[in-house]
Amino acid sequence: DIQMTQSPSSLSASVGDGVTITCRASQSVSKSLNWYQQKPGKAPKLLIYAASSLQSGVPSRFSGSGSGTDFTLTISSLQPEDFATYYCQQSYSAPLTFGGGAKVEIK
Amino acid sequence: QVQLQQSGPGLVKTSQTLSLTCAISGDRVSSNSAAWSWIRQSPSRGLEWLGRTYYRSKWYEDYALSVKSRIAISPDTSKNQFSLQLNSVTPEDTAVYYCARYDWNYGWFDPWGQGTLVTVSS
Repeated sequence: DIQMTQSPSSLSASVGDGVTITCRASQSVSKSLNWYQQKPGKAPKLLIYAASSLQSGVPSRFSGSGSGTDFTLTISSLQPEDFATYYCQQSYSAPLTFGGGAKVEIK
Repeated sequence: QVQLQQSGPGLVKTSQTLSLTCAISGDRVSSNSAAWSWIRQSPSRGLEWLGRTYYRSKWYEDYALSVKSRIAISPDTSKNQFSLQLNSVTPEDTAVYYCARYDWNYGWFDPWGQGTLVTVSS
């Protein structure tokens, strides 16, 4: 199985701050990497697919980059609605696996 | 747009069978571009993909090794839905269970069902 490791597992930031979350795969997944946002009591919501493509309707302050084993999700200027937990997911090979999550909290 | 609606009990006794159903609107369970998946989430295991069913001239299923011996995911074309059965459950199977559409072209899970908290208790 491909293991997905996210860092940090949690961070505190203020509205307006820029934030970067990293995701590392245990082997190359090419660009087959997606990012999701999850708020308490809700299902994950797709933000970024194929490492860097923004899902329709997602604000442009979200961006993704990377390929191979190392990926990043960047939020350029945090908004109040962005405080949530973020997960990466590889779609390179089954079993499809997720990272452990990165919780973005209000400072 | 595609929507998924989950149903099933929130409490299952130890050693019994967990059964959930996911009703699909806006797509077909026999779609050639989708796989219909179950994913669970717990504090100890995080987000864990359990398995999927999909149609490519015939029906296929594949499952996570961690549950392979006791899981079944099956389509119901007459009702346009799919189901999860997990046998011989233990408290370790307590989790929020989600159904989700996996897009073969893009490799993403979207949309997701609303989630069902299933508690396993004696």
